[in-house]
Amino acid sequence: EDKVVQSPLSLVVHEGDTVTLNCSYEVTNFRSLLWYKQEKKAPTFLFMLTSSGIEKKSGRLSSILDKKELFSILNITATQTGDSAVYLCAVGLYNFNKFYFGSGTKLNVKP
Amino acid sequence: ETGVTQTPRHLVMGMTNKKSLKCEQHLGHNAMYWYKQSAKKPLELMFVYNFKEQTENNSVPSRFSPECPNSSHLFLHLHTLQPEDSALYLCASSQDLGSSEYFGPGTRLTVT
Repeated sequence: EDKVVQSPLSLVVHEGDTVTLNCSYEVTNFRSLLWYKQEKKAPTFLFMLTSSGIEKKSGRLSSILDKKELFSILNITATQTGDSAVYLCAVGLYNFNKFYFGSGTKLNVKP
Repeated sequence: ETGVTQTPRHLVMGMTNKKSLKCEQHLGHNAMYWYKQSAKKPLELMFVYNFKEQTENNSVPSRFSPECPNSSHLFLHLHTLQPEDSALYLCASSQDLGSSEYFGPGTRLTVT
């Protein structure tokens, strides 16, 4: 059975801390892994990862994929209160109509 | 007119037809996106454009062909679609990649 698991489910940190969010998956015909940030309504796209070992970086956020161990991490350095959100991981399959979201990690950054 | 607009709002097409979906944003954003939302499923990212250049293609079948002539307009050209391609196709834009996205109302596509 295909599945995507995120950990931790929730996390409370203080401004300036560095956090690492995890996403592991077990799927057949893996195509891509996506990270989203969801604050209110629709998720905001962060990264798409398709190749192992290539880090993607955007400001204080970075992510990398390990296709051998079947996981990805999302790093946020020097966290700010505006980083508080639910971070979602999604895995797409080569059957274009199938993809799976994890349950998300709720990050709370305190001043 | 402000925000993100999409036309047509509804489209029924046969498997041999060729049609195009249009998206226009009046927000001065640099990034635009196509998403697919099938019934009772979350959004699936299809394509990402940043400053008119395609930065991400989520291995979408070639029967879907995007075009971004400028930062305000995004098209999705459709040909020889399958019935399972019937879905809501949403366009979004954001100031930059990673910024909050603003969604259009979507085009409800039915492939017969």
